[in-house]
Amino acid sequence: DTGVSQDPRHKITKRGQNVTFRCDPISEHNRLYWYRQTLGQGPEFLTYFQNEAQLEKSRLLSDRFSAERPKGSFSTLEIQRTEQGDSAMYLCASSREESYGYTFGSGTRLTVV
Amino acid sequence: TQLLEQSPQFLSIQEGENLTVYCNSSSVFSSLQWYRQEPGEGPVLLVTVVTGGEVKKLKRLTFQFGDARKDSSLHITAAQPGDTGLYLCAPYSYYGGSQGNLIFGKGTKLSVKP
Repeated sequence: DTGVSQDPRHKITKRGQNVTFRCDPISEHNRLYWYRQTLGQGPEFLTYFQNEAQLEKSRLLSDRFSAERPKGSFSTLEIQRTEQGDSAMYLCASSREESYGYTFGSGTRLTVV
Repeated sequence: TQLLEQSPQFLSIQEGENLTVYCNSSSVFSSLQWYRQEPGEGPVLLVTVVTGGEVKKLKRLTFQFGDARKDSSLHITAAQPGDTGLYLCAPYSYYGGSQGNLIFGKGTKLSVKP
């Protein structure tokens, strides 16, 4: 069990560019979650998957954001046409079921300049 | 939209002091988790409480779930510099809130000075 891995740890991009983040969950966890955290705030829910199915999406997830988990293992989060307001820490977590504790990755820090 | 409040937002204390942080809402929760987060890292689960009135202890940390399952508290005895971090409460709500994911408060940022 190597925990939840996120790549990259840091990303600086110019406004208008597309970025993609990857999350590798704990292998036996069937649930995977994406959260976004800005300075001074707690994590805000974006979306989650049960296996390969995307079961819920927050209204925070605009049409510029898309997440996939094609084989029920790793997941990607893509942001198209990035804006400065997208600058945040993007956290991925996984769990076995909704009532179990989440294991979070170390996050991807996105800075849009 | 359920309102989740954590207090205080910031707390700076000396090593050896005791402290309590609170998590309150108008909604009833099926269960609630507490996490601790250090700068630049993801939150780490401390405890899950499920039953109203439940008390759980983790070394010097004592967690309590309110009888009505609308609030929770975290008490730290004899705080140490290693306790420094952001403490987040995160309830599950199956009574009108979104299902299948945790909702996080803004957290209490604790600083313990040696």
